Amino acid sequence: SQQGEEDPQALSIQEGENATMNCSYKTSINNLQWYRQNSGRGLVHLILIRSNEREKHSGRLRVTLDTSKKSSSLLITASRAADTASYFCATVLMEYGNKLVFGAGTILRVKS
Amino acid sequence: GAGVSQSPRYKVTKRGQDVTLRCDPISSHATLYWYQQALGQGPEFLTYFNYEAQPDKSGLPSDRFSAERPEGSISTLTIQRTEQRDSAMYRCASSPGLAGETQYFGPGTRLLVL
Repeated sequence: SQQGEEDPQALSIQEGENATMNCSYKTSINNLQWYRQNSGRGLVHLILIRSNEREKHSGRLRVTLDTSKKSSSLLITASRAADTASYFCATVLMEYGNKLVFGAGTILRVKS
Repeated sequence: GAGVSQSPRYKVTKRGQDVTLRCDPISSHATLYWYQQALGQGPEFLTYFNYEAQPDKSGLPSDRFSAERPEGSISTLTIQRTEQRDSAMYRCASSPGLAGETQYFGPGTRLLVL
């Protein structure tokens, strides 16, 4: 069973716009990670945010974490056609410190 | 190696046959993970290794599934008596340490059971 749920399931935007994806989870976590999956390619790690962090940036990516609401958001600014992919949040649970528990993902399409 | 590699990339087999999938992790990485990913879903954890030890097999769907990492490097995932519901992408990942760090994924093996 999957712990995280991403919202929306699919998102279509124009190049240059910002894209926001949300993730909710159910149990206490060590950290939360975001991954990207392009068609025909493997999963690529984007960013990791620890349970004691509230916000993290990496290039055009901004991730927030609200442990009280058990939710996270991924913001991609100034989107590009190459950002078209599926985006997954994955949590590392407090009681199972090694395995990632993935959500079902958000499909992002950036139109040029 | 430069990244995680998996072989074969595609495998078509008939129901009832055994299949073995291979994962070659990043050479310095202690931990290796196996995931199963159905179409349109996120990966689901199967099992992981710390070097050659296998502390968690909780995600293996049945006793038809087994994994090995005998020398703490290359790993194999074997599915015996395959069933159509085993059709999925099987992904391997590795990480340097032991506790919930960034995982580096291979390209996956697409398994189709006819």
